[in-house]
Amino acid sequence: EVQLEESGGDVVQPGGSLRLSCAASGFSFDNHAMHWVRQAPGKGLEWVSLISWDDGSIYYAVSVKGRFTVSRDNSKNSLYLQMDSLRVDDTAIYYCAKDIGSSSVSHYMDVWGKGTMVTVSS
Amino acid sequence: SSELTQDPAVSVALGQTVRITCQGDSLRSSYASWYQQKPGQAPVLVNHGKNNRPSGIPDRFSGSSSGNTASLTITGAQAEDEADYYCNSRGSSSHHAVVFGGGTKLTVL
Repeated sequence: EVQLEESGGDVVQPGGSLRLSCAASGFSFDNHAMHWVRQAPGKGLEWVSLISWDDGSIYYAVSVKGRFTVSRDNSKNSLYLQMDSLRVDDTAIYYCAKDIGSSSVSHYMDVWGKGTMVTVSS
Repeated sequence: SSELTQDPAVSVALGQTVRITCQGDSLRSSYASWYQQKPGQAPVLVNHGKNNRPSGIPDRFSGSSSGNTASLTITGAQAEDEADYYCNSRGSSSHHAVVFGGGTKLTVL
């Protein structure tokens, strides 16, 4: 079964840091680009970041560029999101999602994790 | 503000057909994908590209596109289709590789 499981969400003070992880199973992780998408309480989906299957292409939303860093370890079937200089408006459920294409990059996300909650509050 | 515009809410009578639309310049060069999200759950891909349905998605969900508008049509809406629906596409500028619409809340009456 294809699965994604996020972890690392927590309550953190403004200006703090947090590292999210996403463990993948049931598919060839090293063949697929991966996305991070977030959803603030009661709000819509917001794309955060995209990393290609080989780290060759990395993209960020303007709202997080310079503060968040996406990475992956294909040997561990894992995706990461390092979040620094956190702000109150970063409070959201963070989902990792698998790109549908093999050895390609798209905006089609066919598998999602259940999400992990990040709360930024003093 | 989102580069993709969706109606905030749409309603449909049980068994009838409803179209949920998504507008944006990026849709002139990029097909949309559509996601269904029920309360407390993660989004689920229901249609992508030129009307492709993932395995397990009922064939009452279909996608189409014309100009700067993408549409998700549900033919014969069921009670279980009541959910939020989001479109997304490739971004139209260098600022965003991917963009989501603001979402449409579908109510099945």
